[in-house]
Amino acid sequence: AQSVTQLDSQVPVFEEAPVELRCNYSSSVSVYLFWYVQYPNQGLQLLLKYLSGSTLVKGINGFEAEFNKSQTSFHLRKPSVHISDTAEYFCAVNSGYSTLTFGKGTMLLVSP
Amino acid sequence: DAMVIQNPRYQVTQFGKPVTLSCSQTLNHNVMYWYQQKSSQAPKLLFHYYDKDFNNEADTPDNFQSRRPNTSFCFLDIRSPGLGDAAMYLCATSRDRGAVNEQFFGPGTRLTVL
Repeated sequence: AQSVTQLDSQVPVFEEAPVELRCNYSSSVSVYLFWYVQYPNQGLQLLLKYLSGSTLVKGINGFEAEFNKSQTSFHLRKPSVHISDTAEYFCAVNSGYSTLTFGKGTMLLVSP
Repeated sequence: DAMVIQNPRYQVTQFGKPVTLSCSQTLNHNVMYWYQQKSSQAPKLLFHYYDKDFNNEADTPDNFQSRRPNTSFCFLDIRSPGLGDAAMYLCATSRDRGAVNEQFFGPGTRLTVL
C-alpha cells in the first residue's frame, strides 16, 4: 500500500519570502512522486515529478523539490514566493500501479 | 491546444435525481480517470478506463457508474445523488498506464445536491 502525508494543512508566508511545503510518503516498493497545484475552482496542474535520476527536481513557476529516500520525503521549495502562488498544493505518490494517491493538501497563503 | 474539457463546470441536481457529468479530451490518451474531491480533501480515484477496459476502485459506491463510448469521451453517471455526493469531480487522462505517465486534469465539475 502507498500513502502520503502532508504535515501542514496551511502555510502562511509573506511575499518574496522562501517557503517549504512538506511531504512524506510510505510505500513498500519504488515510488514515483509528484507535486500538483490547484487554484480555486480549477483542476490540478503538474508542478514537477520525480521518476528517477537526480534527486533535485526543478519544476514550473520556480518551484523545486528534493527526493530523500532515507527520510521518505519529497519536500517542495521556492526561494521567493509571489502573491500569485496562493493555491492548494498536493503531493502524490505512484508505486507503479498507475493510480495516484494524493496527500490531503497544503494551502499556501501568500500575503503582501 | 490539446486539453481535457469538462462540462458543465457547475451542476446542480436534486436529491435522488440522476445526473451525468461529461469529460472529453483532445490528447488521444488511452487512459481516462474520474476523481471525487470533497471540500478541503484530497482527490479520490473512483475508477479509470484503460482503452475500453473499466477498472473500478474497491470502495467506489455502486451509485457511481461510468461510460466511455470512444477514445475522446468519458461520462460519470450518478444514479441517485445524495447530499454526501456534493463535491468537485475531476477528469484526468494519461497516455498509458504506469507510474511514469503524467496525468492531465480537466478544470472539474462542481456538483451541488439540493
